[in-house]
Amino acid sequence: QVHLVESGGDVVQPGRSLRLSCAASGFTFSNYVMHWVRQAPGKGLEWVALISFDGSETYYADSVKGRFTISRDSSKNTLYLHMTSLRPEDTAVFYCAKPSRERGQSAFDYWGQGTLVTVSS
Amino acid sequence: SYVLTQPPSVSVAPGQTARLTCGGNNIGSKSVHWYQQKPGQAPVLVVYDDSDRPSGIPERFSGSNSENTATLTISRVEAGDEADYYCQVWDSGSDHWVHWVFGGGTKLTVL
Repeated sequence: QVHLVESGGDVVQPGRSLRLSCAASGFTFSNYVMHWVRQAPGKGLEWVALISFDGSETYYADSVKGRFTISRDSSKNTLYLHMTSLRPEDTAVFYCAKPSRERGQSAFDYWGQGTLVTVSS
Repeated sequence: SYVLTQPPSVSVAPGQTARLTCGGNNIGSKSVHWYQQKPGQAPVLVVYDDSDRPSGIPERFSGSNSENTATLTISRVEAGDEADYYCQVWDSGSDHWVHWVFGGGTKLTVL
């Protein structure tokens, strides 16, 4: 059974950094692209970043490009999101998500429960 | 960047049919996915690749996609269907960028 468990959310001051983790189990983690998606309080879903199955390619939403870095450690079955220069508008629940197929672009069939990041002074 | 437009809200009586739309430029050429999200919960995939259902999703949920509009249809609506629904596509560019795009979401209210 697939499980995705995010952690690392916290209250941080603007301009500070934070690293989120997503522990994956129940599937061959190293075979899948992985994604981060966020949701600001009371708002809709926003895709944040993706990383290829081997970590060689990464893509980011324009709103986080240059500030966030997605990475993975397949020996630990863990996905990361390193966030720097955090802004109040980054306040959101962050989800990691797994695509349904190993190759190509596909829908997100499993999501974690989310971890809350609050950026406030 | 590619934009998906969803009506903010749709209301329907129990037992009736709800049609939730997702507009985008030539969206019919893309694969559209739909998610259901209830308060305090993570999104759940209900339709993928325009019209396919994941296992465990009732047949009452169906999808279609043509030209500039994709539609999620929920037949025989139940109180438990009340939720926010989001459409999603992926977009790419000639310089090898990739983005995933969500619509703004539609709140389905069951009267």
